[in-house]
Amino acid sequence: AQTVTQSQPEMSVQEAETVTLSCTYDTSESDYYLFWYKQPPSRQMILVIRQEAYKQQNATENRFSVNFQKAAKSFSLKISDSQLGDAAMYFCAYRGGNKLVFGAGTILRVKS
Amino acid sequence: SAVISQKPSRDICQRGTSLTIQCQVDSQVTMMFWYRQQPGQSLTLIATANQGSEATYESGFVIDKFPISRPNLTFSTLTVSNMSPEDSSIYLCSVANRGSNEKLFFGSGTQLSVL
Repeated sequence: AQTVTQSQPEMSVQEAETVTLSCTYDTSESDYYLFWYKQPPSRQMILVIRQEAYKQQNATENRFSVNFQKAAKSFSLKISDSQLGDAAMYFCAYRGGNKLVFGAGTILRVKS
Repeated sequence: SAVISQKPSRDICQRGTSLTIQCQVDSQVTMMFWYRQQPGQSLTLIATANQGSEATYESGFVIDKFPISRPNLTFSTLTVSNMSPEDSSIYLCSVANRGSNEKLFFGSGTQLSVL
């Protein structure tokens, strides 16, 4: 079974600074997708960024980028120029079929 | 992207009662899923709602406790039966179209508290 591990229960970053959230996963599949979701206090799950495993190029979405290391099964999220609105719980997720498997989450706090 | 309406947004229920949560999507979708998020924890898949047939449950979840309906491609319900305080969680509906390259979209969740 696939597993997703987020080893950082909580992270803090100063406004305008850069922070990296870690994620590792375990799978025997070669074709899969990885995601980062953001969950603010409103409970809404918001897709931040997506990476296809067959693509070597790291995905980027404005201030959000990933460092995808397929051999190491690592998928970290970098948030540049952090803003107060980035404060939320961040979940790393793996999708190898139709199911989405989530990590335990990392709480990101942004200090002004 | 799909717009998902989930009702109710929150409820407080008595032990032993049942609550039905509705998930309505603004377009036809192939896949619909129900997740549970216990306080301070991650999301756990309860089941995949199959249109016109019985839902597919994950390990640890059974139909008698969490009956699911999906009468068409835009609507599903999850019932939490014979509730106990341990059922206090956020329940989330998510949808996607077939194909693992498709994004999953989520409803805003139902915050359930059982007294």
